[in-house]
Amino acid sequence: QKEVEQDPGPLSVPEGAIVSLNCTYSNSAFQYFMWYRQYSRKGPELLMYTYSSGNKEDGRFTAQVDKSSKYISLFIRDSQPSDSATYLCAMSDPTYMYSGGGADGLTFGKGTHLIIQP
Amino acid sequence: DTEVTQTPKHLVMGMTNKKSLKCEQHMGHRAMYWYKQKAKKPPELMFVYSYEKLSINESVPSRFSPECPNSSLLNLHLHALQPEDSALYLCASSQARRGAGNTIYFGEGSWLTVV
Repeated sequence: QKEVEQDPGPLSVPEGAIVSLNCTYSNSAFQYFMWYRQYSRKGPELLMYTYSSGNKEDGRFTAQVDKSSKYISLFIRDSQPSDSATYLCAMSDPTYMYSGGGADGLTFGKGTHLIIQP
Repeated sequence: DTEVTQTPKHLVMGMTNKKSLKCEQHMGHRAMYWYKQKAKKPPELMFVYSYEKLSINESVPSRFSPECPNSSLLNLHLHALQPEDSALYLCASSQARRGAGNTIYFGEGSWLTVV
């Protein structure tokens, strides 16, 4: 079983719809959760960063974390064609520290390819 | 716009060439990373520098050689690459706070094609 599961899609929805993107994970040591948006041929752009269980809202985006179920979600309200991209969930274990500092890598999901139809 | 700057944006090199990818950040971060990303795959960690020291090397072939001249700069030296090394190479940085979650910021990437 992979550490992070994410449906690769593609997920196609009409403009204005509410989009729900999800990831599940198996490693209970993951404590920090991120969502990145990646446009074609560009680097990942950080959208949301959460720590505790519950909801975090930023504009049209809401990140939800349920640590008891090991399940995270990203909701996009009033979706726009410009939201069409690949969305990557990522998570980190803060106890996994490299020597010399607190740098830690991320464990990514496969990414969901989202298409918003005009 | 991302505050992690990578050059060049595109690079085509032969299998006998030597080239370098460069990365710079001015956010005061003390950890810098190289990731490799193939099409339709998530980024894969290659190297981590924490406080200018190489902290992890994820068993990457020796034809890839990282260098961290100072806390703001990161290089990836390339030599005798194979066509399967063609990919998007992403530089990233974070604060490197011990015991805390470190938000990792990515650059736009360098597209490498090996012919």
